[in-house]
Amino acid sequence: DAKTTQPNSMESNEEEPVHLPCNHSTISGTDYIHWYRQLPSQGPEYVIHGLTSNVNNRMASLAIAEDRKSSTLILHRATLRDAAVYYCILRRGLPSGNTPLVFGKGTRLSVIA
Amino acid sequence: GAVVSQHPSWVICKSGTSVKIECRSLDFQATTMFWYRQFPKQSLMLMATSNEGSKATYEQGVEKDKFLINHASLTLSTLTVTSAHPEDSSFYICSARGKGPGPNYGYTFGSGTRLTVV
Repeated sequence: DAKTTQPNSMESNEEEPVHLPCNHSTISGTDYIHWYRQLPSQGPEYVIHGLTSNVNNRMASLAIAEDRKSSTLILHRATLRDAAVYYCILRRGLPSGNTPLVFGKGTRLSVIA
Repeated sequence: GAVVSQHPSWVICKSGTSVKIECRSLDFQATTMFWYRQFPKQSLMLMATSNEGSKATYEQGVEKDKFLINHASLTLSTLTVTSAHPEDSSFYICSARGKGPGPNYGYTFGSGTRLTVV
């Protein structure tokens, strides 16, 4: 699996936007970019995913570089409930569909009131 | 949306005993389930992948005789930690994936089980 690189930690003030970067320079053409987050003592939850185009949903936006070697997860207004570890994961889009998600170390986001 | 229920949320057991963790997909059929464990301050480590009705595929270094995985139905998978020892204390998390419109069909995670072996 192609590897992702994320900063270990980031800090944000409440109500401000947060940009979480992810580098994936060895991404292949069929790799989807997934973002999950894990709140303390909980299982991961889906945030967003994309392939080539930028994506928006009610939780966040995903900006994907034109060469796909990096992406940025954007939380438009951070709240205290957004404090979590954010994982950027590449998943190959195979038809069989049973490949697991492989987690890296992620970015621990702290939100300051 | 897709919901995965994992029980128990926490368990304390004596060294040498066995513990069973259940993972249920409540509103979809989980053709594939994944089991992870997570030690404090670390990331999730994949333990095994199981497809309904088939034997689980274990990751390198995970003892299949110690971590028994059963995926007998499309809505239930169990992980049994046999002869548990203190070093097995960890946060165990299941993930389920169902049939869907394509390779992007979501992975839904359980809330995790914190196992403490004393």
